[in-house]
Amino acid sequence: QVQLVESGGGLVNPGGSLRLSCAASGFTFRDYDMTWIRQAPGKGLEWISDIRSSVGDTDYADSVKGRFTISRDNAENSLYLQMTSLRVDDTAVYYCAREISSPLYTSGGTLAEYYFDYWGQGTLVTVSS
Amino acid sequence: SYELTQPPSVSVSPGQTARITCSGDALRRRYVYWYQQKSGQAPVLVIYEDNKRPSGIPERFSGSSSGTMATLTINGARVEDESDYYCLSTDTSGNQRRVFGGGTKLTVL
Repeated sequence: QVQLVESGGGLVNPGGSLRLSCAASGFTFRDYDMTWIRQAPGKGLEWISDIRSSVGDTDYADSVKGRFTISRDNAENSLYLQMTSLRVDDTAVYYCAREISSPLYTSGGTLAEYYFDYWGQGTLVTVSS
Repeated sequence: SYELTQPPSVSVSPGQTARITCSGDALRRRYVYWYQQKSGQAPVLVIYEDNKRPSGIPERFSGSSSGTMATLTINGARVEDESDYYCLSTDTSGNQRRVFGGGTKLTVL
């Protein structure tokens, strides 16, 4: 069965760095796009970054662009999130998730739809002095 | 930035029908997806592509979408359905990024 296990969370000072990992199993990792989503305490879900399966194209939410870097190692079935210049408002549970892409056929052409079908249990990152 | 709007809370008695809405301009052109998140747990996909149910999701969960509004319906809600529910769609403004609604707390009691 599909399993995603995050690790690497913890307490870090403002301005510090942290690297999150996500170990994937139960599916052919290299065939899937992957994503990171976070949830601040008592708040909603926020998509923050994703990475394509093969060519490694990446995208980021404006809130983390320039500070976070997503990467993957298909040989190790692992997804990573390097976080730098951390701020208090980056405090959240960070989830990795498998991303599904499917075509949406419209009168104006074909669009790509993306959603997340399996999620890990999350790892807590606390940014505080 | 693009937003999806959900009511903060919905309350029903056991056995009643619960309806949770999600509104946003892009829903005219893009699919909506629904996630259930129980307290302290990771989200679980309950509806994809507006109205499809993943395997293992009970039939009492259904979805619909028309115009700028999508609805998650739970027929015969059970106490165990008490959760936060989030809708997901795609920002059509140009960046095509994924956007979640603010979430709805469903209370069944």
